[in-house]
Amino acid sequence: NAGVTQTPKFQVLKTGQSMTLQCAQDMNHNSMYWYRQDPGMGLRLIYYSASEGTTDKGEVPNGYNVSRLNKREFSLRLESAAPSQTSVYFCASKGLAGAANTGELFFGEGSRLTVL
Amino acid sequence: GDSVTQMEGPVTLSEEAFLTINCTYTATGYPSLFWYVQYPGEGLQLLLKATKADDKGSNKGFEATYRKETTSFHLEKGSVQVSDSAVYFCALSLRQAGTALIFGKGTTLSVSS
Repeated sequence: NAGVTQTPKFQVLKTGQSMTLQCAQDMNHNSMYWYRQDPGMGLRLIYYSASEGTTDKGEVPNGYNVSRLNKREFSLRLESAAPSQTSVYFCASKGLAGAANTGELFFGEGSRLTVL
Repeated sequence: GDSVTQMEGPVTLSEEAFLTINCTYTATGYPSLFWYVQYPGEGLQLLLKATKADDKGSNKGFEATYRKETTSFHLEKGSVQVSDSAVYFCALSLRQAGTALIFGKGTTLSVSS
């Protein structure tokens, strides 16, 4: 019963390097999300995918790209990492709206990224 | 726009004390409301939820009531334990397909024995 799985859990990058955070969910959810968490800032939405084949910008998309590879997987890419992108990144998913779905998000355990 | 405001922390309590963490929201439409908890080094877990006005969500001794007239969803617990030490996030969702949760900034609770 994995739920939402993120990899890697920890990563250290140098400024200018690129990397991809991977996320997969096994709950057959339609929507997937990437948030970043910073001290005193709460969780801020980077990008989301309301359904397979669509992606949209959230509150803080600059410096990131995403790919909804299929219904299960949603990756987040940093093309040229900057120290300001040091953060904890959370992937989440949500099922279709309806009587059985109150809008709850299911979260992965997080990926801690440090950019030097 | 839609937003969530929760009380600033940290909140420091002794074991068995009463806890209140205030949360108010601004939203168009009729949101669902949530409290999530994040224990040290872990991801966010749903603590409780309420989907319509006057609903009371409860779990693990925590409670929160959806108050439409005051646009509030305050979290309460009658007697906190050391194991309740965590960061608590209030959030809302408009439930339309694909919409993201909007989170407050989080309140850190520290309980000492």
